[in-house]
Amino acid sequence: KNEVEQSPQNLTAQEGEFITINCSYSVGISALHWLQQHPGGGIVSLFMLSSGKKKHGRLIATINIQEKHSSLHITASHPRDSAVYICAATANTDKLIFGTGTRLQVFP
Amino acid sequence: DVKVTQSSRYLVKRTGEKVFLECVQDMDHENMFWYRQDPGLGLRLIYFSYDVKMKEKGDIPEGYSVSREKKERFSLILESASTNQTSMYLCASSNTELSSYEQYFGPGTRLTVT
Repeated sequence: KNEVEQSPQNLTAQEGEFITINCSYSVGISALHWLQQHPGGGIVSLFMLSSGKKKHGRLIATINIQEKHSSLHITASHPRDSAVYICAATANTDKLIFGTGTRLQVFP
Repeated sequence: DVKVTQSSRYLVKRTGEKVFLECVQDMDHENMFWYRQDPGLGLRLIYFSYDVKMKEKGDIPEGYSVSREKKERFSLILESASTNQTSMYLCASSNTELSSYEQYFGPGTRLTVT
């Protein structure tokens, strides 16, 4: 069993839909990261959080430390949100433990 | 802005060739990482380095070596490339002093070994 599990693996949505991607982890963590990877490969960091909730534009990330669970929400989804979203955890080291990613496709 | 660059976006090599993948970061970060990314497996850590001339094995170091002679540059070496090393290779860097553990990624090198 992976230490960081994401669901779903693949997700399709119509433009405008509300999207949720889930991440569960089994290790004690110091931070939980959400990353975005567009076709072509480059990865950018969307959020890093250790408690509560963070919001950036239409993206919201939440974490529940007791339940070892985090969610990434996208409101009013758009085709340009199509990407792979990756959850990763750090456990008091500089190393990231990655989930396998969620491939999101948003159709017009 | 932090910038992490990789020497090639696409690379095609033959089995048995020695392959060098270069990564350069311009933010004076102490930590640098090499990952490979394969469908269904996500990102897996090959090697990382906390300082010049320091290296640590990651989860899948077999078949790879690294070199960090200067702080800004971290090289991944495939001594004798094999077809099972066909993959996307990603470099990243981070700054421990910020205690943020946030990693900054390069654009990736898609390596094909034939």
